[in-house]
Amino acid sequence: QKEVEQNSGPLSVPEGAIASLNCTYSDRGSQSFFWYRQYSGKSPELIMFIYSNGDKEDGRFTAQLNKASQYVSLLIRDSQPSDSATYLCAVNFLNTGNQFYFGTGTSLTVIP
Amino acid sequence: GAVVSQHPSRVICKSGTSVKIECRSLDFQATTMFWYRQFPKQSLMLMATSNEGSKATYEQGVEKDKFLINHASLTLSTLTVTSAHPEDSSFYICSASSLDMTTNEKLFFGSGTQLSVL
Repeated sequence: QKEVEQNSGPLSVPEGAIASLNCTYSDRGSQSFFWYRQYSGKSPELIMFIYSNGDKEDGRFTAQLNKASQYVSLLIRDSQPSDSATYLCAVNFLNTGNQFYFGTGTSLTVIP
Repeated sequence: GAVVSQHPSRVICKSGTSVKIECRSLDFQATTMFWYRQFPKQSLMLMATSNEGSKATYEQGVEKDKFLINHASLTLSTLTVTSAHPEDSSFYICSASSLDMTTNEKLFFGSGTQLSVL
């Protein structure tokens, strides 16, 4: 059984702070990792993807991947109230082709 | 990015009726389409995976006779909720992907369908 786990939160941070979202997964045969943001009643939208160990930065967002520890995280710098949403971690496992598995999501609230 | 169109966006129906939801890839050929269900404040739950021209693969616990999936072409998949009941009320989301794509994004979501069964 492939599993993707996230802390459900809620996570609250003050405006301007760094928000740290974490995700673990159960299968070492994993290929690619994605972070999605979902506002209430809307579909998920892709924030970042990462394939290789290490850090990947895109604007205020940094994804960190450690395959040995089966851990992927998302850092949001200079958090804004508009970042308040649920963040979903998704893993595309190598031996399931295009199939994606999602974590339960972490609810983030950025307090003005 | 690629566009996936999902209709209707919202449907309200009486208990016992059937509801069809369409998912179309507008500017690419979707090798695979996925159907998800999401209850309030919960994550996406994969219901089934469908490949064009073949039967859908359902996740454990999802009734294939209740949730009929048809993936008749590379641009269209439909989900029919048969004999809907109030417990089927949920947010249904489709997504599509293509093995032919070179983009790293890989998975494209429809806008979702909010189903309310009275």
